[in-house]
Amino acid sequence: GAGVSQSPSNKVTEKGKDVELRCDPISGHTALYWYRQSLGQGLEFLIYFQGNSAPDKSGLPSDRFSAERTGGSVSTLTIQRTQQEDSAVYLCASSPSGRGTKNIQYFGAGTRLSVL
Amino acid sequence: KQEVTQIPAALSVPEGENLVLNCSFTDSAIYNLQWFRQDPGKGLTSLLLIQSSQREQTSGRLNASLDKSSGRSTLYIAASQPGDSATYLCAVLKDSNYQLIWGAGTKLIIKP
Repeated sequence: GAGVSQSPSNKVTEKGKDVELRCDPISGHTALYWYRQSLGQGLEFLIYFQGNSAPDKSGLPSDRFSAERTGGSVSTLTIQRTQQEDSAVYLCASSPSGRGTKNIQYFGAGTRLSVL
Repeated sequence: KQEVTQIPAALSVPEGENLVLNCSFTDSAIYNLQWFRQDPGKGLTSLLLIQSSQREQTSGRLNASLDKSSGRSTLYIAASQPGDSATYLCAVLKDSNYQLIWGAGTKLIIKP
């Protein structure tokens, strides 16, 4: 079956522009996660969606970052007024449920964002 | 605050060698530890998941161990192959049950 799909795979933008990154999770997975991976760094948690519950936005680095998940499926991560420090690979993952010690996350290939 | 460290940051070995990748964490109160593989331009793939009550997990040529008391995990790769070249990341699941804390990874190159 289809895995987690992210688009675009690469995005180059100018400083100050807004960007939207899309994630299409595995069908039936109730949990969806966004991470940011900067060069040479581990993954940084951004936001978590689980079913119809309020998302955990505790990892969003500033109010320029927002995300939504429509209909419990596709998610969009929006970065407003992009800055050069926003340049990174943005990874999306989904899992069958959000909890449980055997819960495995399945990752998309990521969107590489470059802010000039 | 939980911190995860992976040493070395990069490793290059000849094909056929057995090798060990290291992961350490500062807080032993974890639910599980996972090893992932990341290939350039591709997403992460889960390799092994060790529950906090387990000591090790095996999958093919891979064996992962967990020593909670010392805050360490190792990933052992037997008879390495060029196709094993990738970045290997470890992550621990803390008490929130969904938020993984990640190491920065070890970039592994297997030379033919």
